[in-house]
Amino acid sequence: KAGVTQTPRYLIKTRGQQVTLSCSPISGHRSVSWYQQTPGQGLQFLFEYFSETQRNKGNFPGRFSGRQFSNSRSEMNVSTLELGDSALYLCASNVALNSNQPQHFGDGTRLSIL
Amino acid sequence: AQSVTQPDIHITVSEGASLELRCNYSYGATPYLFWYVQSPGQGLQLLLKYFSGDTLVQGIKGFEAEFKRSQSSFNLRKPSVHWSDAAEYFCAVGSSGGGADGLTFGKGTHLIIQP
Repeated sequence: KAGVTQTPRYLIKTRGQQVTLSCSPISGHRSVSWYQQTPGQGLQFLFEYFSETQRNKGNFPGRFSGRQFSNSRSEMNVSTLELGDSALYLCASNVALNSNQPQHFGDGTRLSIL
Repeated sequence: AQSVTQPDIHITVSEGASLELRCNYSYGATPYLFWYVQSPGQGLQLLLKYFSGDTLVQGIKGFEAEFKRSQSSFNLRKPSVHWSDAAEYFCAVGSSGGGADGLTFGKGTHLIIQP
């Protein structure tokens, strides 16, 4: 069974631009969560999607948004990019919302802001 | 609010020696606890999880962890480390496998293996 797939693996953008990251969950998984990882703040929860609806949200500004499609694939969008948005963005999938099974993580998208 | 503390930012261990990585958590109810490992440029790989039941859990790659409710700890152990164990280790807590508010992670412990 294929794992969680994130594309692209690397992105370079400039301040003020916007970016879209993609995540394909493990087949059969319907919940997708996004995390931001930075050296200073560590791993922080962004949001979780299930059945095409955002179910939970972390403490991030409205510039960070996402969506989920009917096939459970998810995209994350960041608008008006700032230098501080440089990070590894990780996607994790699970079979269901609030499942007692652990999440499975992708290898991430490394976003660099110039 | 839930939180996780990994007191050791870096740990250096000789190959073949035993390892213990510390994790303390703060959580209002019975927690779901996890240890993940991250190699450079990679995502997070689950080592082991605790949901309920036996407080000593076995994971992959020879790792084990013990849940101690009285100490709010979930320390990771391995009897004999290998050079390939060098990586970043994260302890995490949640209300479920993903958690209603996602998982809360510690800052990580960077494990260095000396030959």
